[in-house]
Amino acid sequence: GIQVEQSPPDLILQEGANSTLRCNFSDSVNNLQWFHQNPWGQLINLFYIPSGTKQNGRLSATTVATERYSLLYISSSQTTDSGVYFCAVRGGSQGNLIFGKGTKLSVKP
Amino acid sequence: DAGVIQSPRHEVTEMGQEVTLRCKPISGHDYLFWYRQTMMRGLELLIYFNNNVPIDDSGMPEDRFSAKMPNASFSTLKIQPSEPRDSAVYFCASSLQGRAGTEAFFGQGTRLTVV
Repeated sequence: GIQVEQSPPDLILQEGANSTLRCNFSDSVNNLQWFHQNPWGQLINLFYIPSGTKQNGRLSATTVATERYSLLYISSSQTTDSGVYFCAVRGGSQGNLIFGKGTKLSVKP
Repeated sequence: DAGVIQSPRHEVTEMGQEVTLRCKPISGHDYLFWYRQTMMRGLELLIYFNNNVPIDDSGMPEDRFSAKMPNASFSTLKIQPSEPRDSAVYFCASSLQGRAGTEAFFGQGTRLTVV
């Protein structure tokens, strides 16, 4: 099956800093999503981005499907951005989402 | 739409008891997924349904686990008998036409503790 690798595993930022999270996947995909799991455990949809670039406020994401990676950018980070960020993909013959291990982000005031 | 609804939010049970987790997917969605999250294994797929039919249950850990989807608006995940190692957060998710690459949405999860 498809392998999903996220980096870095852990990230500590000072409030106001910018960051880039990376997701590599081992095969072609027709679905890629970024989620934020907040400290209460909820999985919040950030982006559905099988290819191209999208922006939502301080967050943006880019997926280069031909090179099998996706990037999540967080600008001017806030303490509320803390949590775990997951990348999840779905391959051509699969119906389910396969998750990476996540990047744990801590934003310090 | 209220999103994917799971119940209960928290469940504490004694080893050996039967546990039933419930999920109501987003109306109109034709895929339903059950995931389990633990510190050791992360988010892992247990089973998923398409149009109420189980498609892949290879992630179900053992015969103690069973899942049903009697109609398009309801699914259950049952553990009988429960064991302490089943303690985890169980998520239900739904999507529309999953094979075409559409967005999946997750419920708030059920935190199960087996003592």
